[in-house]
Amino acid sequence: NAGVMQNPRHLVRRRGQEARLRCSPMKGHSHVYWYRQLPEEGLKFMVYLQKENIIDESGMPKERFSAEFPKEGPSILRIQQVVRGDSAAYFCASSRLPGQGPSDNNSPLHFGNGTRLTVT
Amino acid sequence: DQQVKQNSPSLSVQEGRISILNCDYTNSMFDYFLWYKKYPAEGPTFLISISSIKDKNEDGRFTVFLNKSAKHLSLHIVPSQPGDSAVYFCAASLGGNNRKLIWGLGTSLAVNP
Repeated sequence: NAGVMQNPRHLVRRRGQEARLRCSPMKGHSHVYWYRQLPEEGLKFMVYLQKENIIDESGMPKERFSAEFPKEGPSILRIQQVVRGDSAAYFCASSRLPGQGPSDNNSPLHFGNGTRLTVT
Repeated sequence: DQQVKQNSPSLSVQEGRISILNCDYTNSMFDYFLWYKKYPAEGPTFLISISSIKDKNEDGRFTVFLNKSAKHLSLHIVPSQPGDSAVYFCAASLGGNNRKLIWGLGTSLAVNP
C-alpha cells in the first residue's frame, strides 16, 4: 500500500466548505481511480483518469464533485460545498495498465490508505 | 442491488486450519474476479484473482475457486495464520476492466492462535 500515497489521512470540514483530496500513484503507474466507501457500504467506483484526461466519471455525483490528474503533480479529488452525506473514506488506486487482460494477476489495482473525510 | 454478495460478515478460524471465504454474484457477464485484503485504517491490498476461463487459481497459501454455473467463488487460506486476520473483499469486473470493480461488503476474518 505504501506505493500509492494519499493525503491527508484525515480531513474535517464544516458544511459548505471545500475538500481537496490528493493522490500520488505508484511509480510507473499512469492510471488513477477514485473509490468511495460510505459507512456500512462497499467500495464504489467514482472516476478513472489518466494524465490530463478524465476517462470515465460515471460514478461521480453530478454536482460538487470534480477530479483531475495534471501532467505534473498528484491527482486531486475536489468536493465543493460539502454536506454531511459526503462523510466517507475516499480511496485512490493506480494501475500500470487500464485493464486486467486475459492473464490472471495482471496489473491489479494498488490502493492508497485512504482519506477519511468527516463533515461536521 | 448488490451484484456481488458476501453473505458472511464475519468468520472465526483456529490457527493452522483452513479459512473459506465465500462470494456470490448475480451478473453472468462478469469475467474477472479478485480478492482483496484490508487491515483497519489501510487501503485494500490485492491478494489473488481469477478469470472466468478458469476454475481455480493458486498462489501459495491462497487458492480461489470459481463455479460459474453457481455464480459462486471462494477463497481458501491454508494454513490460516493470525496475520491473516483482516477484512476480505470479493470484487468482480466486466470485460477485464479495472475501472468499475463491483465490490462485496466484505467478510471479517479472525484467526485465533
